[in-house]
Amino acid sequence: EAQVTQNPRYLITVTGKKLTVTCSQNMNHEYMSWYRQDPGLGLRQIYYSMNVEVTDKGDVPEGYKVSRKEKRNFPLILESPSPNQTSLYFCASSPWGGSDYGYTFGSGTRLTVV
Amino acid sequence: RKEVEQDPGPFNVPEGATVAFNCTYSNSASQSFFWYRQDCRKEPKLLMSVYSSGNEDGRFTAQLNRASQYISLLIRDSKLSDSATYLCVVNQAGTALIFGKGTTLSVSS
Repeated sequence: EAQVTQNPRYLITVTGKKLTVTCSQNMNHEYMSWYRQDPGLGLRQIYYSMNVEVTDKGDVPEGYKVSRKEKRNFPLILESPSPNQTSLYFCASSPWGGSDYGYTFGSGTRLTVV
Repeated sequence: RKEVEQDPGPFNVPEGATVAFNCTYSNSASQSFFWYRQDCRKEPKLLMSVYSSGNEDGRFTAQLNRASQYISLLIRDSKLSDSATYLCVVNQAGTALIFGKGTTLSVSS
């Protein structure tokens, strides 16, 4: 089944403890992206990757890192999480950035930083 | 980055009603357009792409007016299962989908 898989689905952590949210897609998509969704603010892009080893900042990159060493994987790293990073995170992929097919989203990761 | 704006609602309608959602986008260079559906606390799912010629998928009809930078979604014969948040989405510069904040639809029996 074609899908984007995120893990974990739920995570509660403490301020300052490094964490990684994994994202993997099995559709051979070139483009991958991370979004966060907050009440009243909608979905905002954190980082995106047009292809392997090519990553760039989205609208809200502060406090996050990403890497794209393989086509299928695009992990999101929070080196020192803070409470304002409590949010619902979505990974997405697409055949290419300008695709008319839209994005396929993972099921989401609900992160709470205390 | 320019925005995508839509009426947040909520739209509360009875089963069988016709409901229309509107959306405007500010960047005339936007390339492709979509409506996504999001159920509570779940991932957005592509409902349909939107083309200048207009397109229809069953009870759903989407329209794009590039001159006015306006996108619409019409839902006919609403079902209880249509209750969700509908997101207007624009692909801008091929690097990001820009999402509106969503319009909430509640269909009641």
